[in-house]
Amino acid sequence: SQTIHQWPATLVQPVGSPLSLECTVEGTSNPNLYWYRQAAGRGLQLLFYSVGIGQISSEVPQNLSASRPQDRQFILSSKKLLLSDSGFYLCAWRYFPGTGRNSPLHFGNGTRLTVT
Amino acid sequence: DQQVKQNSPSLSVQEGRISILNCDYTNSMFDYFLWYKKYPAEGPTFLISISSIKDKNEDGRFTVFLNKSAKHLSLHIVPSQPGDSAVYFCAASARAAGNKLTFGGGTRVLVKP
Repeated sequence: SQTIHQWPATLVQPVGSPLSLECTVEGTSNPNLYWYRQAAGRGLQLLFYSVGIGQISSEVPQNLSASRPQDRQFILSSKKLLLSDSGFYLCAWRYFPGTGRNSPLHFGNGTRLTVT
Repeated sequence: DQQVKQNSPSLSVQEGRISILNCDYTNSMFDYFLWYKKYPAEGPTFLISISSIKDKNEDGRFTVFLNKSAKHLSLHIVPSQPGDSAVYFCAASARAAGNKLTFGGGTRVLVKP
């Protein structure tokens, strides 16, 4: 069966410090990978998605970047954190069955980031 | 522009009764709809989905209804159980837009024993 691992679970970082959140998926190959953010009391906002190694699409302009160095590894980074980067970050994967069909996203347990 | 909206931020229901969660959308290109359940400090868990070619899908205690003409989606939970207390998100995607999921703002459900 497929599993998704996301770490760390919680993180407190000062403003201006770098960030690296990692996500790995097991039990599947060539998944679509996603980074979402949930701000306090709000819904989930798509930040980045990737359909393959080295292929990253950004949904919103921001202080963050993403990379996919391996098929089942997705990394969210920042060179200098802002206070507004605080939130709950979720990695998700999907096996996309192809043209004409659809499938749900499956989420990791998230990282609570607090920028102080 | 919020393409997916959950207008009720919270819902309280007695154990054993029906919970009805509602969701409205504006993008007529959406063709796949989902409901997720989320506990605090955890990632959302997929509950049930429906394709735009259907108007109802049922899985155990969960039933999703789709009214395309009204651009409205609902989730029925029968009977409600205390373990159903969580935040529920509806989501939608469009094949023409790369199947990216757009989420509503969530509805917090409290099931009272």
